[in-house]
Amino acid sequence: GNSVTQMEGPVTLSEEAFLTINCTYTATGYPSLFWYVQYPGEGLQLLLKATKADDKGSNKGFEATYRKETTSFHLEKGSVQVSDSAVYFCALTPNQAGTALIFGKGTTLSVSS
Amino acid sequence: SAVISQKPSRDICQRGTSLTIQCQVDSQVTMMFWYRQQPGQSLTLIATANQGSEATYESGFVIDKFPISRPNLTFSTLTVSNMSPEDSSIYLCSVGFHGRDNQPQHFGDGTRLSIL
Repeated sequence: GNSVTQMEGPVTLSEEAFLTINCTYTATGYPSLFWYVQYPGEGLQLLLKATKADDKGSNKGFEATYRKETTSFHLEKGSVQVSDSAVYFCALTPNQAGTALIFGKGTTLSVSS
Repeated sequence: SAVISQKPSRDICQRGTSLTIQCQVDSQVTMMFWYRQQPGQSLTLIATANQGSEATYESGFVIDKFPISRPNLTFSTLTVSNMSPEDSSIYLCSVGFHGRDNQPQHFGDGTRLSIL
C-alpha cells in the first residue's frame, strides 16, 4: 500500500540554522509528493510539491527534490527563521488526480532567536 | 486554486450531542474530502464526499457516526453524531480537482471541536 514516513520531532533550531526534515514514501506507481505546513492555530497550507522524479519543489526558501531511487522527498531550508516554527507534513497522492492525500505523522519545528 | 470556508471554526459541545460542520467552496470542485486531526496527530481521512451519491468511508469510520452530505459541487457537510470526548479533534475539509493533473489539494482552516 501507500504510506509516508517522516522523521520524528520535535526539531529545535536556532535562527539561521540549516533545516532538514526527512521524508520517505512507499507507493505503487508514480505518486505526486507534497509538503504542507500548519502554523499554530491554523489549517494546512501547501508549501511545495513535485509531480515526477527529479522534480524540485521550492517555496519561501524551502526546497525538496523527488528522489525515486531512494523514495525520498526531504525538506530543506538553508536559514530558518522564528516565523518558520510550525508542523510540517509530508504527503503523497497516488498517480491519480483528485485522490485523497496520504500524510506522514508530521514534524514539529521550533526555531528560537 | 480554491477558497474554502468552514463553519464553525470552533465549538465546545456536550457529550451525546451532534454537530454539523459546513464546507463551502468558491468554485465547483470534483472531489471533496473530510479529515480528522486528533490532538498532536497527523491527518486521517474520514471519507470522500461524492456529489449525488453516498460518501465513501475509510476503514474505521461509519456513516451512522459521521453522516456526510454533498448536495452540489460547491458544498458539503459533516456531522459528528453522539459525541464523546474521544471525538475532540480538528475536522478539516479539503477539495481536489479530478482530471486536472497534479493539482494539489486545498484545505479549509478546520473546525476545532472539544467535547466535555
